Amino acid sequence: DIQMTQSPSSLSASVGDRVTITCRASQGIRNDLGWYQQKPGKAPKRLIYAASSLQSGVPSRFSGSGSGTEFTLTISSLQPEDFATYYCLQHNSYPTFGQGTKVEIK
Amino acid sequence: EVQLVESGGGLVQPGRSLRLSCTASGFTFGDYAMSWFRQAPGKGLEWVGFIRSKAYGGTTEYAASVKGRFTISRDDSKSIAYLQMNSLKTEDTAVYYCTREAFDYWGQGTLVTVSS
Repeated sequence: DIQMTQSPSSLSASVGDRVTITCRASQGIRNDLGWYQQKPGKAPKRLIYAASSLQSGVPSRFSGSGSGTEFTLTISSLQPEDFATYYCLQHNSYPTFGQGTKVEIK
Repeated sequence: EVQLVESGGGLVQPGRSLRLSCTASGFTFGDYAMSWFRQAPGKGLEWVGFIRSKAYGGTTEYAASVKGRFTISRDDSKSIAYLQMNSLKTEDTAVYYCTREAFDYWGQGTLVTVSS
């Protein structure tokens, strides 16, 4: 199985901050990776697909980059509605998620 | 509009069975593979398994944690995917989600609690 190591596990940030979350794959996965946002009691919502493509309807402050084994999700200017848990999901092989990053208010 | 609605969750005793349903609308169900994921309380997300479309044989794949106990099937005429769960264990307690092939659309989830 491909392991996804996500960091940090949590972070505290203020509205307007730039936030970066990283996922590292245990082996190369090309760009077969998505980023998801999950709020309490809700289903995950896809933000980014194919590592860097913005899902329709998702604000442009979200962006993704990377290929192979290193991937990054960036929120350019954190908004109040962005406080949530974020996950990466690889689907190059049987799907596996990162452990999640909880973004909290500073 | 694509919609996925899970149903069938509830409280069940260890060792018993439960069948979940995922009812789809807004797309040509038979053209897509369908997956099931789960999330234990306060934990991360785990892939359970998927079923390919009939065009790709309708075959299934499962996570090691459920292989031999869970079975995924589909009824394309009704646009429903099923997750049959047998020999349930307390560690199967989770919210179960179905997703479309590209993991782009997710249902709202249904809670399965395995407890005596």
